[in-house]
Amino acid sequence: DQQVKQNSPSLSVQEGRISILNCDYTNSMFDYFLWYKKYPAEGPTFLISISSIKDKNEDGRFTVFLNKSAKHLSLHIVPSQPGDSAVYFCAASASSGTYKYIFGTGTRLKVLA
Amino acid sequence: DVKVTQSSRYLVKRTGEKVFLECVQDMDHENMFWYRQDPGLGLRLIYFSYDVKMKEKGDIPEGYSVSREKKERFSLILESASTNQTSMYLCASSLISGGERVWGYTFGSGTRLTVV
Repeated sequence: DQQVKQNSPSLSVQEGRISILNCDYTNSMFDYFLWYKKYPAEGPTFLISISSIKDKNEDGRFTVFLNKSAKHLSLHIVPSQPGDSAVYFCAASASSGTYKYIFGTGTRLKVLA
Repeated sequence: DVKVTQSSRYLVKRTGEKVFLECVQDMDHENMFWYRQDPGLGLRLIYFSYDVKMKEKGDIPEGYSVSREKKERFSLILESASTNQTSMYLCASSLISGGERVWGYTFGSGTRLTVV
């Protein structure tokens, strides 16, 4: 049973527009969430995080929103740039556990110039 | 610059061989992890370690073992490589999150293993 789900395998967005990537989770014990970006043949790189204490966190063009009641988080990229084209993974962890993160299956974002 | 270093970027091994994947971090992190990435399946946790000589099974430990003799080094061992272990292997390390402070993973560059 997949505890972290990214239901959109791919997304295409025009340069300059907003990209919205979604992630759902099932375990109500999750209280730390991360987004990673991954280019082919490279390790994932950390983008942004949020803890369940907050419902929003911003870092430049990237904003993560957390809706705990819906068990849903989203990553907004504004404005989208061609260099943002990559696979994006969300991940969740429960602080009461061992701090291991469960990853979603990823969404491939393509930003069209 | 903090780093997680995986010893090989690409490996080709034969079925039945014993394979060692090495990972070293220079950040004094307590936690270290091994994941594999496969298309459509995301990153799946194989094993992790939260202290020297401590290890715990992840979601897909079958066919793998690990070793953590020193804090900075975490090795993944394929006891007898099989073709279904062809994958991208990713090592990561992290501190422990607390309160508002969320510590994510730092990943290595990955090892693309092909078992023929």
